Amino acid sequence: DTAVSQTPKYLVTQMGNDKSIKCEQNLGHDTMYWYKQDSKKFLKIMFSYNNKELIINETVPNRFSPKSPDKAHLNLHINSLELGDSAVYFCASSSRTGRTEAFFGQGTRLTVV
Amino acid sequence: SQQGEEDPQALSIQEGENATMNCSYKTSINNLQWYRQNSGRGLVHLILIRSNEREKHSGRLRVTLDTSKKSSSLLITASRAADTASYFCATDLSGYSTLTFGKGTMLLVSP
Repeated sequence: DTAVSQTPKYLVTQMGNDKSIKCEQNLGHDTMYWYKQDSKKFLKIMFSYNNKELIINETVPNRFSPKSPDKAHLNLHINSLELGDSAVYFCASSSRTGRTEAFFGQGTRLTVV
Repeated sequence: SQQGEEDPQALSIQEGENATMNCSYKTSINNLQWYRQNSGRGLVHLILIRSNEREKHSGRLRVTLDTSKKSSSLLITASRAADTASYFCATDLSGYSTLTFGKGTMLLVSP
């Protein structure tokens, strides 16, 4: 009964490949997020979805695309992977955008070789 | 982008000592939150303090907020080895729709 679950936990892939990371929350939250954490542990917001609508899209490459089939899911698709995409990607959710605590998944460590 | 900045970047103490971490931010906020991240894990919410609050307690945690100085502090009293983790402040910026995180403080508590 994990609150926010994302899969896979580890992803190793070659440059140029296309990959997806899945995220699901069972908390009934309205807002879901994707964060990228780099090797220096800096967390950067990538996307924020509220009721299936994108409300913030930080300046990330358009190779990254969030897809939300329903309120409980926010998947991250990455096309033409590059070495610099290697990082840990976290999915999170909250009941009110930015106003309450966020619940995080365990992270997906992406390594591009 | 607007961010919180934690200070110090790293802190090493002995069990039983208190640990204080500071966070500064740049613009007005609705609330400020503190999170903990254990190595290889996701972030866990610790405490939220609203812009009209000055101090908040939760167990061994004490958070203060000074909106005039745009700063917050997290105090962990009687620290334990299990408190070893990275601690992040996150700000809910007025007019924005998401949490913005600082770079974190790495806390090491030695037995």
